[in-house]
Amino acid sequence: DAGVIQSPRHEVTEMGQEVTLRCKPISGHNSLFWYRQTMMRGLELLIYFNNNVPIDDSGMPEDRFSAKMPNASFSTLKIQPSEPRDSAVYFCASRPTRGQDRSAAFFGQGTRLTVV
Amino acid sequence: AQSVAQPEDQVKVAEGNPLTVKCTYSVSGNPYLFWYVQYPNRGLQFLLKYITGDNLVKGSYGFEAEFNKSQTSFHLKKPSALVSDSALYFCAVTRNNAGNMLTFGGGTRLMVKP
Repeated sequence: DAGVIQSPRHEVTEMGQEVTLRCKPISGHNSLFWYRQTMMRGLELLIYFNNNVPIDDSGMPEDRFSAKMPNASFSTLKIQPSEPRDSAVYFCASRPTRGQDRSAAFFGQGTRLTVV
Repeated sequence: AQSVAQPEDQVKVAEGNPLTVKCTYSVSGNPYLFWYVQYPNRGLQFLLKYITGDNLVKGSYGFEAEFNKSQTSFHLKKPSALVSDSALYFCAVTRNNAGNMLTFGGGTRLMVKP
């Protein structure tokens, strides 16, 4: 398995533009997480899904942020409009909820977002 | 609510010396505890976990961690550090094993000097 795949790896955009980050979880994993990492705030959970259903989105900072998981193999995190303070590395992770290794989450390489 | 504290922003050790990266947690019920490592410009990699059983857990790259329920700690250890161990280490906790969110500590930067 190729692991959790995120795209793009890097994104530079102008303030006010819409940004869409993409994630393909590991096949068979039922839980998917979006995290944001910054120097100031460390690693923050934004939202997580179980079986494609959003369970907890209390970490989503504002209405400008939205996440979807239309099927088990794809999720998006959208920021509209983007602001410079959204600049961070965004990680997607997936985790099985059945089987022997159901506890460990596996992370993608991250998307480094820069909003200028 | 659940939380994780990593009291040290940075740990410095000499190569060949033992290392310890500290982690304490707070969670209702039985904790499930994890350590992850992050190398520059990379995602987080799973190192080890504690779910139940022996308090001493062995993981990847020679790392181990000791679960101490009375002290609510899960410190990461390695008997002999390598320069290549230099990275950012994150401790994480969740409440059960079935999809609950992982809460991460702030991370500890480990620097191993030759």
